Amino acid sequence: GAGVSQTPSNKVTEKGKYVELRCDPISGHTALYWYRQSLGQGPEFLIYFQGTGAADDSGLPNDRFFAVRPEGSVSTLKIQRTERGDSAVYLCASSPQTGELFFGEGSRLTVL
Amino acid sequence: QKEVEQDPGPLSVPEGAIVSLNCTYSNSAFQYFMWYRQYSRKGPELLMYTYSSGNKEDGRFTAQVDKSSKYISLFIRDSQPSDSATYLCAKTGWVAGNMLTFGGGTRLMVKP
Repeated sequence: GAGVSQTPSNKVTEKGKYVELRCDPISGHTALYWYRQSLGQGPEFLIYFQGTGAADDSGLPNDRFFAVRPEGSVSTLKIQRTERGDSAVYLCASSPQTGELFFGEGSRLTVL
Repeated sequence: QKEVEQDPGPLSVPEGAIVSLNCTYSNSAFQYFMWYRQYSRKGPELLMYTYSSGNKEDGRFTAQVDKSSKYISLFIRDSQPSDSATYLCAKTGWVAGNMLTFGGGTRLMVKP
């Protein structure tokens, strides 16, 4: 498709489990972002990739969160030992070198 | 204090009304200001962005920035039920689009 694709759209897991969320950006976009949006809140920045490298990971809340983008295209956000407070919508966005961010529809994570 | 503050609403208006949505921000280092619209269970989509103080118009939408008072506004003329959504203001640094800092969003309901 032409837009940012995120899978799964919904994920329900149990506390303590490991979760992977995938983002497939718009073809040709070099920059990729992960944001987290809790209910009733605006998106909060997690991490930003320029190409394959994480240019800024200052928004990752702790070392249970990790993200990769090994070939400069698809990215995976990994969450270890999930906690109930991790429940949120995880949004991915991509953009050309500089410019408008295009967001996916998000992956809704529920930790029971 | 959050860097970008918005009244969460909800704001309910009749169809055809003029809507005023507002944000305040606290860090003068940020230069670009954006308005995003987010429908329920969808990702944010960019409505408008502006760099300088003053007004920018696009169809029924006008964005206004007052850097002296650190105040950002979005006006919607002739509001339609399809405008019902959450409106997020955001700001960023010297490059438009990178590492956005969002407000919490204002939920707007336009009643037919």
